[in-house]
Amino acid sequence: SSELTQDPAVSVALGQTVRLTCQGDSLRRYYASWYQQKPGQAPVLVFYGKDNRPSGIPNRFSGSSSGNTASLTITGAQAEDEADYYCNSRDSSGFHLVFGGGTKLTVL
Amino acid sequence: QVQLQESGPQLVKPSETLSLTCTVSGGPIISDSYTWGWIRQPPGKGLEWIASISHSGSTYYNPSLKSRVTISVDTSKHQFSLNLTSVIVADTSSYYCVRHAPTYSSGTVDSWGQGTLVTVSS
Repeated sequence: SSELTQDPAVSVALGQTVRLTCQGDSLRRYYASWYQQKPGQAPVLVFYGKDNRPSGIPNRFSGSSSGNTASLTITGAQAEDEADYYCNSRDSSGFHLVFGGGTKLTVL
Repeated sequence: QVQLQESGPQLVKPSETLSLTCTVSGGPIISDSYTWGWIRQPPGKGLEWIASISHSGSTYYNPSLKSRVTISVDTSKHQFSLNLTSVIVADTSSYYCVRHAPTYSSGTVDSWGQGTLVTVSS
């Protein structure tokens, strides 16, 4: 079982805004990172830290954090954003990586 | 831009050892800024961290797999490797080698190999 909890599935209408959440006690100490994974492909980092977006990631992807919950917001979702999204961080020891179970995002 | 490439057998028999190697190119393997690791994903399921190693050889293991896993690094070959012993059908997964932030940081994985599907079957 994951130490980070994500909703299994979320849907959003094309062009609308959607927020994906990730909950876990370790998020009170460590920032979450977010990954997008499309079928048959390796995950891609889309947001990390307090406010960091890797080069090439559209600015419609943003992140935030409050208490034990981290969020990834997609403002103006596009058809190509339909994918699985995973969050990750550290466990309470600081040594081990942990992943959320993933959220399947459907763009309607 | 660093690139990671997994190599190893795609089919392993139950009870045998799964061995994978990751070759790092386009960037240094010796760096205090990064740690090298393995993550796996069973077909249709989520991501599971397996193990990580620093360039100096400090190792970290998922407690649920620790008794069966060994990770090692060969900086002269720009490679790091994974051994998983006594495999079972449930170890069938895509295995990714990755680069991630060091211990006590958030653990951001900024580089992924393309992944290799390893099937455990007789």
